[in-house]
Amino acid sequence: GDSVTQMEGPVTLSEEAFLTINCTYTATGYPSLFWYVQYPGEGLQLLLKATKADDKGSNKGFEATYRKETTSFHLEKGSVQVSDSAVYFCALGGGNEKLTFGTGTRLTIIP
Amino acid sequence: DTAVSQTPKYLVTQMGNDKSIKCEQNLGHDTMYWYKQDSKKFLKIMFSYNNKELIINETVPNRFSPKSPDKAHLNLHINSLELGDSAVYFCASSHETPTGEQYFGPGTRLTVT
Repeated sequence: GDSVTQMEGPVTLSEEAFLTINCTYTATGYPSLFWYVQYPGEGLQLLLKATKADDKGSNKGFEATYRKETTSFHLEKGSVQVSDSAVYFCALGGGNEKLTFGTGTRLTIIP
Repeated sequence: DTAVSQTPKYLVTQMGNDKSIKCEQNLGHDTMYWYKQDSKKFLKIMFSYNNKELIINETVPNRFSPKSPDKAHLNLHINSLELGDSAVYFCASSHETPTGEQYFGPGTRLTVT
């Protein structure tokens, strides 16, 4: 079945550091790929998505590119802020199919 | 103008009780879902409904019964609550397009004592 493998956390970075959170997947067919973010005590918010190979999703300075050849969708940000501290989830699916989530990566940014 | 809402936000109850969680979406979506997030933050699908019809039921105990009175509502009823049911339950909804993302509610934290 489909699965998502995500970089294990927790990840702690200083403000303005470069961020990469790795995500790889196995899937039948051609799913859409998503990054969701969960701030403390809140629900999940869509951060960005990509719907086909080579698509790049971007939002709030975060980017991820759908790489079919490496089955990856790594999340990157050039300069993180304290407000980026949250749990980040990579997921695959789309439409009315279930989302299959990775285990989540807790990110803490220190000033 | 909340998109996906859930009630209650917190639910504390004793083992053996029966409880319900309600979910409503005002996005006009066709499909709604229930996910369970455990203490390690792992998220797993429980059910999904498309236009009031059950389409996904992921090996969830029979004590859990979803009900969709209309396509804007999906409620979750849990019978004979057990300690292991303690978790955060998220409702979500999406359009029926192949690439549509899911929109999540704020979650219901269920604690069974």
